[in-house]
Amino acid sequence: GQNIDQPTEMTATEGAIVQINCTYQTSGFNGLFWYQQHAGEAPTFLSYNVLDGLEEKGRFSSFLSRSKGYSYLLLKELQMKDSASYLCAGDTGGFKTIFGAGTRLFVKA
Amino acid sequence: GAVVSQHPSWVICKSGTSVKIECRSLDFQATTMFWYRQFPKQSLMLMATSNEGSKATYEQGVEKDKFLINHASLTLSTLTVTSAHPEDSSFYICSARDLQGNTGELFFGEGSRLTVL
Repeated sequence: GQNIDQPTEMTATEGAIVQINCTYQTSGFNGLFWYQQHAGEAPTFLSYNVLDGLEEKGRFSSFLSRSKGYSYLLLKELQMKDSASYLCAGDTGGFKTIFGAGTRLFVKA
Repeated sequence: GAVVSQHPSWVICKSGTSVKIECRSLDFQATTMFWYRQFPKQSLMLMATSNEGSKATYEQGVEKDKFLINHASLTLSTLTVTSAHPEDSSFYICSARDLQGNTGELFFGEGSRLTVL
């Protein structure tokens, strides 16, 4: 079956670092996406990990461990505008992407 | 980067009517597009995979006769919600992958918010 788990909500302080974890079990796996979604808007692409390890892109970094079925998104120097939902999604092959329920991140001053 | 355009952005209709939503890939060809729906505070639920020139593949529990999908060209897929009812009110989002790109990124349309009265 397909299962992608991530925390429902997280709260962090402006300027801090936050890590959003994601575990997955999918039938077929090509890679792992992270998307950011603000309320009422479509998701926007953050990262796509295919190989194990950490990929850094500005304030955002994403990590993947294929053997553990685990990924995390790391957000540094948090800003108020980072308050959004963060969606972990598995690229299951056949070009099909399955999304987790999303983690709502609240950044407070 | 690749762009996917979706229209209309929002639509209000009466119960029993049908509504068509269009999804276009503007600068790349998409043999496969995906349709999702999203309820408030929930994640995207894959409804169906739209395949150019052939029938769509529907996810379990999605009524294919209610949600008609037509992928007539390499840049256009349409979703028609037939005989819409209030429970069909939702945010519908299409997406496509630019297979020529390096990231395999999934590009999303702007979404269409459907309200059925």
